[in-house]
Amino acid sequence: DVKVTQSSRYLVKRTGEKVFLECVQDMDHENMFWYRQDPGLGLRLIYFSYDVKMKEKGDIPEGYSVSREKKERFSLILESASTNQTSMYLCASRSWVGSYEQYFGPGTRLTVT
Amino acid sequence: AQTVTQSQPEMSVQEAETVTLSCTYDTSESNYYLFWYKQPPSRQMILVIRQEAYKQQNATENRFSVNFQKAAKSFSLKISDSQLGDTAMYFCAFMKPQGGSEKLVFGKGTKLTVNP
Repeated sequence: DVKVTQSSRYLVKRTGEKVFLECVQDMDHENMFWYRQDPGLGLRLIYFSYDVKMKEKGDIPEGYSVSREKKERFSLILESASTNQTSMYLCASRSWVGSYEQYFGPGTRLTVT
Repeated sequence: AQTVTQSQPEMSVQEAETVTLSCTYDTSESNYYLFWYKQPPSRQMILVIRQEAYKQQNATENRFSVNFQKAAKSFSLKISDSQLGDTAMYFCAFMKPQGGSEKLVFGKGTKLTVNP
């Protein structure tokens, strides 16, 4: 079974802190994604990566950056956390071939105070 | 840009009954994929069912089936014999093939509650 894990289930940070959210997948998937999930807004794509060291902006990249130094790991970075970044963050991965199915991690609920 | 609309923010159904969740989308593409994902409370999102636009036959997965109307750009999910474990957020999603950099466009979700 594909496994996507995220470094923390719950996280509380202060305004202005630099925050790292990590995601690891164990299926050698080329594509990895970071989403933000808010009630009434669904899932919005922040960034995605289709290969090591490759990244593309999604729909809401402002205030975020990403890093993909190894194929299995995709990190989301909040350079200076703000209260409006309080949200659920979901990571997903997908292979270039096959069914186009994205496999999701359990999510990190981030609270910025 | 593609958009996906789920017009029912919340729905409820009695156990063992049938429920249909609506999804419409807007695209000028002819080749694309549509998905329904399920997110149970405090659990990971999983794929329920997938439909290729070039296939006229509606996809089915056990109790889950879709009604894909390409001309109307409609992609509804029917859940038969609803079970308590079907309680979840359901997201409709659209994807167009892009040579490896495909992205999903999600609707805002429908919260389904199955009542005993």
